[in-house]
Amino acid sequence: GENVEQHPSTLSVQEGDSAVIKCTYSDSASNYFPWYKQELGKRPQLIIDIRSNVGEKKDQRIAVTLNKTAKHFSLHITETQPEDSAVYFCAASMDSNYQLIWGAGTKLIIKP
Amino acid sequence: NAGVTQTPKFRILKIGQSMTLQCAQDMNHNYMYWYRQDPGMGLKLIYYSVGAGITDKGEVPNGYNVSRSTTEDFPLRLELAAPSQTSVYFCASRAPDYLSYNEQFFGPGTRLTVL
Repeated sequence: GENVEQHPSTLSVQEGDSAVIKCTYSDSASNYFPWYKQELGKRPQLIIDIRSNVGEKKDQRIAVTLNKTAKHFSLHITETQPEDSAVYFCAASMDSNYQLIWGAGTKLIIKP
Repeated sequence: NAGVTQTPKFRILKIGQSMTLQCAQDMNHNYMYWYRQDPGMGLKLIYYSVGAGITDKGEVPNGYNVSRSTTEDFPLRLELAAPSQTSVYFCASRAPDYLSYNEQFFGPGTRLTVL
């Protein structure tokens, strides 16, 4: 079955710098890759997603890139701000499967 | 729309007690999910449902049961609570396939402590 690995487990960056979180997946049939943000004590919320027919997607300061050949995808956050501090989860799924396979999460710390 | 709602928000159980965590959604989503999240950890799927009357086990179903008699409601039953079930429980829902929109919408969670 599908397996998703996420790195790093903790990432500390200076406010204003960029942050990159990487995930790899094992099943080449996966075609949907969302990223969720979970603030402390809150529910996970979708921040951006990408389908396998697209290589990159941007939404203001966040972007996701997908390399189907290498089977990895990454979340990029530019000009980081204190409110970006949270745990970020990647996931993967395929249309024939109702479940998301989740990564273990990355705790992003923004240093003032 | 209220989205996905969960009750209660907090609960303390004694070992061996039972309870039902309630989950409801008003978005007419056919897919619904129950996750648990242990402190500092990721999400583990307990059970899921693809529609009323259809449920299936996820990664960690032992000690839990679910039912789905309506599209809106997906309660999670804990029988004989154990300390290992201390966790935050999230319910989520997703739109039907024909909408081609895969986002899972999460409820606010239920924080359960078993002592």
